[in-house]
Amino acid sequence: GNSVTQMEGPVTLSEEAFLTINCTYTATGYPSLFWYVQYPGEGLQLLLKATKADDKGSNKGFEATYRKETTSFHLEKGSVQVSDSAVYFCALSDPSGGSNYKLTFGKGTLLTVNP
Amino acid sequence: GAGVSQSPRYKVAKRGQDVALRCDPISGHVSLFWYQQALGQGPEFLTYFQNEAQLDKSGLPSDRFFAERPEGSVSTLKIQRTQQEDSAVYLCASSLKGTLQETQYFGPGTRLLVL
Repeated sequence: GNSVTQMEGPVTLSEEAFLTINCTYTATGYPSLFWYVQYPGEGLQLLLKATKADDKGSNKGFEATYRKETTSFHLEKGSVQVSDSAVYFCALSDPSGGSNYKLTFGKGTLLTVNP
Repeated sequence: GAGVSQSPRYKVAKRGQDVALRCDPISGHVSLFWYQQALGQGPEFLTYFQNEAQLDKSGLPSDRFFAERPEGSVSTLKIQRTQQEDSAVYLCASSLKGTLQETQYFGPGTRLLVL
């Protein structure tokens, strides 16, 4: 079956620090990969996505590259801000088996950025 | 409204009570999804509708869970005879068509606590 494993939090950083949140996956087919973010009190929002190997998704200074050889999709940001404090979820959707609409999520990583 | 809305935002139920959770998707979105998010976990897929048709209910944990979308718009997730293990946040998402690379837009969730 499909699964997503992401680094456990919480992660606490100072403003302007470099961020990496690791994500690896297991999938039957060739999945699309996503990072979702959940700000306090809000719903999940799509942060970025990549649909094939070597694609790089980017948004709001965050980046992640789809690495098929290492089955990874690590999230990075060069300089975090206090406003980036949130829970980050890595997810995949797998086209095999006819259920390509179904998202499989990791457990989430809580990021706290201090001024 | 521009986004997915859910009501109620919070629900406290006594064990054995029935509950109904409502989701209003983005207008015009064909596909609608329900996910269950236990404390400290990522969301897990429950069920999927395309218009009024429930195409996948493989994630519903028991026959106490029932979802409907009779007119292809608003959806209701009903849980009969609630148990403590049903306590979770229930997330609704919608997408324009529901295909592999398409973004799912999430509502803020309903937090259910069963006492």
